Amino acid sequence: GQSLEQPSEVTAVEGAIVQINCTYQTSGFYGLSWYQQHDGGAPTFLSYNALDGLEETGRFSSFLSRSDSYGYLLLQELQMKDSASYFCAVRDDYKLSFGAGTTVTVRA
Amino acid sequence: GAVVSQHPSRVICKSGTSVKIECRSLDFQATTMFWYRQFPKKSLMLMATSNEGSKATYEQGVEKDKFLINHASLTLSTLTVTSAHPEDSSFYICSVPATASYNEQFFGPGTRLTVL
Repeated sequence: GQSLEQPSEVTAVEGAIVQINCTYQTSGFYGLSWYQQHDGGAPTFLSYNALDGLEETGRFSSFLSRSDSYGYLLLQELQMKDSASYFCAVRDDYKLSFGAGTTVTVRA
Repeated sequence: GAVVSQHPSRVICKSGTSVKIECRSLDFQATTMFWYRQFPKKSLMLMATSNEGSKATYEQGVEKDKFLINHASLTLSTLTVTSAHPEDSSFYICSVPATASYNEQFFGPGTRLTVL
């Protein structure tokens, strides 16, 4: 089975940097994904890491360490529109298993 | 624009009735689609994998006779909640893999089901 842990809530001010950690225990592992979901909306894809290291996409970066079963999502230059839930998800073959999600609240 | 659509977006029904939810892939053909269930402030739980031309694959603990899945074409999968009860009230979301590598999934906007 799959088990993922991430913090439940994070609050930060506009312009700040937030790091959301994700640790996982899985029976199979192809890669770690991150998704953003605004209240009442659909999850949207942010990033995917299959190999160790840092992937940067604009203000968002994602990191993976397979040996530590650990990854993080880094949100830089926070904006009000970044207030949302962020989910890490482990890909095992063709399926995704999601963490419980981290609610990020951005304050002015 | 939207890649995946769902219909209806919201449905309220009486206990004991059946509800059908449609998931359409708008931009490309999909031999595989996924159905998830999400409770408020909770994670997405994979319910089943919908396979075009063959039976769906259900996750452990999901009743296949309760949640009927039909993948009628390469762009349409339907989830029917049969004899719905209040505990079936939830947010149901479908997704379509972006590529054959399954690294990314496009999610539909979801269907809010409320069973009275």
